[in-house]
Amino acid sequence: GAVVSQHPSRVICKSGTSVKIECRSLDFQATTMFWYRQFPKQSLMLMATSNEGSKATYEQGVEKDKFLINHASLTLSTLTVTSAHPEDSSFYICSARDPAGGLTDTQYFGPGTRLTVL
Amino acid sequence: DAKTTQPPSMDCAEGRAANLPCNHSTISGNEYVYWYRQIHSQGPQYIIHGLKNNETNEMASLIITEDRKSSTLILPHATLRDTAVYYCIVRKAGNTGKLIFGQGTTLQVKP
Repeated sequence: GAVVSQHPSRVICKSGTSVKIECRSLDFQATTMFWYRQFPKQSLMLMATSNEGSKATYEQGVEKDKFLINHASLTLSTLTVTSAHPEDSSFYICSARDPAGGLTDTQYFGPGTRLTVL
Repeated sequence: DAKTTQPPSMDCAEGRAANLPCNHSTISGNEYVYWYRQIHSQGPQYIIHGLKNNETNEMASLIITEDRKSSTLILPHATLRDTAVYYCIVRKAGNTGKLIFGQGTTLQVKP
């Protein structure tokens, strides 16, 4: 299957700082990428849909000014957690849609980024 | 997107087939059934997907009932490395469909 990478895999930051997470599709071009968040012992929660060259679409309840998403190229999307606080500590996972399958396109996930805010 | 119902947990003996059920009684005609799994502290891994025909790949088989209201993921010879949370997701075809994760089934493969 297609490969999606994330960087960094782990980050620890102080409260009030901003953190940027990168998501890259390594062997395909992804016009659409997605960002999820997962708290311990819970399922993945979709935060936003990122489309190359346009503004991201956020799910209800997700603050767009706090979670800035940029999808500047067909292989890179970034999520910036601004003014992070301890309650933002979570596992952030991106996915990229491989359009090769047409109507049955498949999403492939990155390995995740563990964010800890002190 | 249609909701799915899965048992919260299942056990399976190593080397035996693992059959994971999923109910999606409100599925629409243009919605596909996708299966992913998540091993602890990793991103989800794509397993298989289908519309109405049974599907098989190197990882698993997907059996969809004729009325499409339920499906079963089959891991033919489970190993300890198959221990994971398995998610059954119904998603609309095309670029408007989103993967919305439920609680999934925690499969424990035991020696």
